[in-house]
Amino acid sequence: AQKITQTQPGMFVQEKEAVTLDCTYDTSDQSYGLFWYKQPSSGEMIFLIYQGSYDEQNATEGRYSLNFQKARKSANLVISASQLGDSAMYFCAMRDYGGSQGNLIFGKGTKLSVKP
Amino acid sequence: DSGVTQTPKHLITATGQRVTLRCSPRSGDLSVYWYQQSLDQGLQFLIQYYNGEERAKGNILERFSAQQFPDLHSELNLSSLELGDSALYFCASSVATGAGELFFGEGSRLTVL
Repeated sequence: AQKITQTQPGMFVQEKEAVTLDCTYDTSDQSYGLFWYKQPSSGEMIFLIYQGSYDEQNATEGRYSLNFQKARKSANLVISASQLGDSAMYFCAMRDYGGSQGNLIFGKGTKLSVKP
Repeated sequence: DSGVTQTPKHLITATGQRVTLRCSPRSGDLSVYWYQQSLDQGLQFLIQYYNGEERAKGNILERFSAQQFPDLHSELNLSSLELGDSALYFCASSVATGAGELFFGEGSRLTVL
């Protein structure tokens, strides 16, 4: 069964510093995608970054990068130069591409608080 | 703005009642997904439709049903509501089932009193 584990319920980071949010996953499929979403207090789910299982390079999107270690089944999100607006819940998610379904499986999330 | 529209944004109702949540996917997206987010259960996948047909079912109660119409909008029907059904219900869409990210609407916050 597919599973996403986020072991950090809450994290604090000082403004302008970098922070790493952990995510491990479990799947028996070879073809899958890993995603990170941000959910601010207003509630909407904002897509941040994507990594395909066959991508050899770690994904980057602006201040976001994904540290993908396939053998360890981890897909950690790194946020550089944290800003106050980064305070939010962050969810790691996975999507298997082997079957006909396409739904995302989410972890329980990490609440990030950025301190001024 | 993700391009996914959900209505209503907020809904307050009583136990035993029935409500309908509506979702319009992004233009061109054929797949629609429904998720429930509650404090104790996190984000739970409910059901997926692709081009009008049910494609996958998750943790959806029998009291809940959904459909996707020919114009690709979708509705989630929740009946015989219980206090525990209070949650944020998200609709998401994607072009197809096998690639890319899901784009989420802003959610419909349901409160059952």
